[in-house]
Amino acid sequence: GAVVSQHPSRVICKSGTSVKIECRSLDFQATTMFWYRQFPKQSLMLMATSNEGSKATYEQGVEKDKFLINHASLTLSTLTVTSAHPEDSSFYICSARAGGPGTGTQYFGPGTRLTVL
Amino acid sequence: AQRVTQPEKLLSVFKGAPVELKCNYSYSGSPELFWYVQYSRQRLQLLLRHISRESIKGFTADLNKGETSFHLKKPFAQEEDSAMYYCALSGSGGGADGLTFGKGTHLIIQP
Repeated sequence: GAVVSQHPSRVICKSGTSVKIECRSLDFQATTMFWYRQFPKQSLMLMATSNEGSKATYEQGVEKDKFLINHASLTLSTLTVTSAHPEDSSFYICSARAGGPGTGTQYFGPGTRLTVL
Repeated sequence: AQRVTQPEKLLSVFKGAPVELKCNYSYSGSPELFWYVQYSRQRLQLLLRHISRESIKGFTADLNKGETSFHLKKPFAQEEDSAMYYCALSGSGGGADGLTFGKGTHLIIQP
């Protein structure tokens, strides 16, 4: 089946530093990748949609300069949390889809737990 | 704006009993509806999508456009069904169409 990996699985960083999270589709090419955020005991909230070779589309209220997304290849998207602060501490989950809009299933990564001290 | 509502945070039933996890949605167009399941310490995985009209692990879900519902059902619950269940919606058409999730229902199957 389709497998999506994320690295790292957890990261702790100091306030003010930047953190990069990688999302890889291991056995299929992902035209589109999505980044979600999940606060404790809450649901997943879509942050942005990333299409290979083009700029990411951010959801309302998500700062694009703070959450930098790069989708340089069909198997890799990265999320960089810049100048992280404690309120950025959360569980970040990516998903990948093989087809274009309205096609295909999203396959989810295992998530990355970010803790900002 | 699109929205998914799962009214029950927690649902506990006995093994062998029927299960129904409720999901209602609001969306102005023709949405695609999904059920995702998350077992303990595992990632989210797709359980059902409405366009497939298939039964997975004994679960079924029918899209009722009149009631804007996509309830998940299983006639006889099993202990291994205990998990977190999320109903999700994807808008149709081009552009960004990430999933809008409900808040999830924690299903506990008691022996």
